[in-house]
Amino acid sequence: SYEVTQALSVSVALGQTARITCGGNNIGSKNVHWYQQKPGQAPLMVIYRDNNRPSGIPERISGSNSGNMATLTISRAQVGDQGDYYCQVWDTTVLFGGGTKLTVL
Amino acid sequence: QLQLQESGPGLLKPSETLSLTCTVSGVSISSTDYYWGWIRQPPGKGLSWIGSIDYSGSTYFNPSLKSRVTVSVDTSKNQVSLKLSSVTAADTAVYYCARHDEAAEGFHHWGQGTLVTVSS
Repeated sequence: SYEVTQALSVSVALGQTARITCGGNNIGSKNVHWYQQKPGQAPLMVIYRDNNRPSGIPERISGSNSGNMATLTISRAQVGDQGDYYCQVWDTTVLFGGGTKLTVL
Repeated sequence: QLQLQESGPGLLKPSETLSLTCTVSGVSISSTDYYWGWIRQPPGKGLSWIGSIDYSGSTYFNPSLKSRVTVSVDTSKNQVSLKLSSVTAADTAVYYCARHDEAAEGFHHWGQGTLVTVSS
């Protein structure tokens, strides 16, 4: 069965660029969606279909997907970007990555 | 504006059946444009898809839960329902309903979630 893998945690200095990855076999051939989740809140979609931002998501959040890796990039990281980030794909079933905790130092 | 609100018992005993309702406002669940899904999140853990239903009533389930899950819609009440039978402590989680545009698409809108605890 298909699997997607994420690092448990990523740290970034305030104002710098954070990159959160989602690995999977030939994931570049799939649509990848990304969610941000803050403590006690429901997930919020931040990227859909690899690199599309829903309304209200700032331009400094972007996505890419190629080969065996999809990447969520957060430029000019802010304290408010802290939280857990999940990737999601479809492979005969809906699959979520295990989540990456982003810390802004 | 689309809103989703989950509701149901917060505490169950092992072997009971979990029954949750997602009340949708702002759009008709009969719309051919949307699918309605259930996702859960055990305390301190990640997201896990349970299943989805489309406008025609076709359902799609996580294979690991398929034998215990029922998802249905009540168009008269604009609600989506989830039933999970024979619950155990492992089913303790926050349960979310969410909307997606197709089975393979992402979940653009989520409810706030409801915590269900299974304990004797």
